[in-house]
This record gives sequence, structure tokens and C-alpha cells, in this order.
Amino acid sequence: RKEVEQDPGPFNVPEGATVAFNCTYSNSASQSFFWYRQDCRKEPKLLMSVYSSGNEDGRFTAQLNRASQYISLLIRDSKLSDSATYLCVVAHDRGSTLGRLYFGRGTQLTVWP
Amino acid sequence: NAGVTQTPKFQVLKTGQSMTLQCAQDMNHNSMYWYRQDPGMGLRLIYYSASEGTTDKGEVPNGYNVSRLNKREFSLRLESAAPSQTSVYFCASSQHQGYGYTFGSGTRLTVV
Repeated sequence: RKEVEQDPGPFNVPEGATVAFNCTYSNSASQSFFWYRQDCRKEPKLLMSVYSSGNEDGRFTAQLNRASQYISLLIRDSKLSDSATYLCVVAHDRGSTLGRLYFGRGTQLTVWP
Repeated sequence: NAGVTQTPKFQVLKTGQSMTLQCAQDMNHNSMYWYRQDPGMGLRLIYYSASEGTTDKGEVPNGYNVSRLNKREFSLRLESAAPSQTSVYFCASSQHQGYGYTFGSGTRLTVV
């Protein structure tokens, strides 16, 4: 079973729409959580960290459910520039894989005018 | 404000040739990583260096070697390239393991 599972999409939404991505992780040793954004043929870039209480950064909201081992990313009022692949990432806090980041395969989003 | 610099950006090799991918960071980060990214596979860790002087295998280390030359530089070597190593290679660094990574712009390698 992969460490991090994501729905690969693609998600195709109109400008202004709200879209949500989900992600599950398999290892209870996971302690830190992130969402990265990757544009076509570019490197991944950190979008936001995910905190236990949930956190918001402008139009982006991230939620964490440790009991269900589930992470989500909500994008409100989608812009054309939001078109990208969104990577769910977890880091372990103990054991031989301490600190290592595990990447999901990514969810592709296309926002159309 | 360079961040993480990878060279070369593109490379075509013949099967059996060797080459070294270079990576340097100027953020005084302790940890450095090499990933490969293939369609449908996501990012897979090849090797990492938690701190200067240490290196460890990741998920897919076979066919690769690494050198943490100093705190800034972490190189990846393919001793005898194979078509299965055709991929996009990313170097990344972080202040400590588990913190958010900064990635280089990648090296697109084709082995024919």
C-alpha cells in the first residue's frame, strides 16, 4: 500500500468554482503534512503546511483528520492560475524513516474560463 | 537568491555511459535529497543526506551513487546508464528533515 494516496483527477472546473482535493496516508508515524503545487514541467513548490487545527491561506484551506488519516485542500474562487498538479505530502516523526517526506502522485486541476 | 541549483537541465546519454548530476544550495540547509519523477509514479526518493558527511538510501537507490561534497553540494552519479533511468531528476534541500523542501528546477535525462 502506498504511503500517500490521492485521486489523480483530472479535475476540470470553471473560474470561480470551489474545488476540494482529498488525500489519505497509511502510516500513523506521519507527523507533518504539506500541500505542494507543481506546474507543468516545473519543480514542486510548497503551497502550505497543514496543521492539526486546520489552517487557511487566502483562498486555500487545509484540513487534517488524524483519526481517519485524511488530509484535504479546499480552493475557493478558483483562478486560471490555479491550474496545476497538487501534491499531498507527509513526513514521519519516528523510526528509521524519521523526517523523510512521502509524496502522493498528485491531483491535476484545470481551471477554465 | 538562487536557492537550489541543478545542472545540467537536459541530458541525453547512451546506454552504458556515466554522468554526474550536480546540485548546490545556498540556503545553509542541513538536509539534501535526490528524487526522480516518472509519469504516473510520483516523486520517488533515490538518496538523501540528513547532514554533511552522511548519506542514506531512499526507495529506489539501485544504479545510483551520491556524494555530499560539503554542506552546499550533493551530487548524483549514474555509473552505467540504462533506459529505465530515463526520468526527471529533482534535487531538494531542507533546514532539517521533515521540514518543507525547496526543489531545484530539475534535470531531464533521456537514456537511449
